[in-house]
Amino acid sequence: GAGVSQSPSNKVTEKGKDVELRCDPISGHTALYWYRQSLGQGLEFLIYFQGNSAPDKSGLPSDRSSAERTGGSVSTLTIQRTQQEDSAVYLCASSTLGQGGVYGYTFGSGTRLTVV
Amino acid sequence: QQQVKQSPQSLIVQKGGISIINCAYENTAFDYFPWYQQFPGKGPALLIAIRPDVSEKKEGRFTISFNKSAKQFSLHIMDSQPGDSATYFCAASIFESGGSNYKLTFGKGTLLTVNP
Repeated sequence: GAGVSQSPSNKVTEKGKDVELRCDPISGHTALYWYRQSLGQGLEFLIYFQGNSAPDKSGLPSDRSSAERTGGSVSTLTIQRTQQEDSAVYLCASSTLGQGGVYGYTFGSGTRLTVV
Repeated sequence: QQQVKQSPQSLIVQKGGISIINCAYENTAFDYFPWYQQFPGKGPALLIAIRPDVSEKKEGRFTISFNKSAKQFSLHIMDSQPGDSATYFCAASIFESGGSNYKLTFGKGTLLTVNP
């Protein structure tokens, strides 16, 4: 597709359940990012994948969160044993390298996660 | 530690007026400063960006002013329109040689409302 696709767009889950969020980046984009957006908190960095390099996981909030990127394309963000504090919009973005002057991310529309 | 501080949290401007949003950063290694615009239910979209080799960049009604010594940058929206009503995020990153790291640190956002 032409943009970054995220699924599902909305997810309501019970506290303690595991959830998987999916991101399809723009074809050919080598870098992929996950951010979390909470009301009044802006965008918090979670994890960054770049090609075959080891991912930068420095933003993952707890050992309940993990992410993987298969084949340098699709990425899944997994949150285990969800808590109410995990409720937020999870945004995925992708970008390319080496396009002179174009360093911007392309974001998906996000997955709104609500833990009840 | 909040590395990018954005103000104000919210802003109301009359149609035709000038909207000004300010950001300050702490990390002197930051050398790429984009602004993102986000409409409800959508992911943020790159609006305009600046590198520290220039003090100002203008694209249409949008201008970034950059003050390296003060570690501040701002977004000016001239002739503000109701369609500009959105949340605006400033961000900063370190553009390493070879473009290997695009991790952005975002401000907390400014909700702009332009009244007709």
